[in-house]
Amino acid sequence: DTGVSQNPRHKITKRGQNVTFRCDPISEHNRLYWYRQTLGQGPEFLTYFQNEAQLEKSRLLSDRFSAERPKGSFSTLEIQRTEQGDSAMYLCATTSSAYEQYFGPGTRLTVT
Amino acid sequence: EDQVTQSPEALRLQEGESSSLNCSYTVSGLRGLFWYRQDPGKGPEFLFTLYSAGEEKEKERLKATLTKKESFLHITAPKPEDSATYLCAVQARDTPLVFGKGTRLSVIA
Repeated sequence: DTGVSQNPRHKITKRGQNVTFRCDPISEHNRLYWYRQTLGQGPEFLTYFQNEAQLEKSRLLSDRFSAERPKGSFSTLEIQRTEQGDSAMYLCATTSSAYEQYFGPGTRLTVT
Repeated sequence: EDQVTQSPEALRLQEGESSSLNCSYTVSGLRGLFWYRQDPGKGPEFLFTLYSAGEEKEKERLKATLTKKESFLHITAPKPEDSATYLCAVQARDTPLVFGKGTRLSVIA
């Protein structure tokens, strides 16, 4: 257990529905990253925050995706109008520096 | 564009049979190379960070080395509990991690 928690652990939703995931970082970590991982692939960067500021978003990130980190604590990732291609593991990672990132257990999304 | 290629994709070893996993990379200004272990259905678990060519780090049966073009993860006398996917990632300056696809290791008793 790295101290990074994610909820829910599993989410099954129907195509077209909206979903929201939450990540609670290690308390002293000011940087928080979201990644997506599909079967047989490594994690792919989506977006990251330093404190409450969203500093970078992947060019691959659809405008159906939005992330927030109010007050620089927990973060949420929302996917609107889900598609079957959104089915993946969504991972959160945090760090107190720009180096080692510690990952949470992930949220597995299945879109039917 | 930063790229990471891991080989082999899958590796099956007998318990006690030592081997190495390879991570080849291209990056503009390497800040760090990272190794993670990932068990099925779980998030990646941090193992090592390497910063410069010639650096080596060890942890139990694992040893990671770094050159200017690649990194190796050496596994000495592996046990079944070492079975997992091993991921390599690079970071250039203040940028997100770029991961390879991983090597799936199976250690058979």
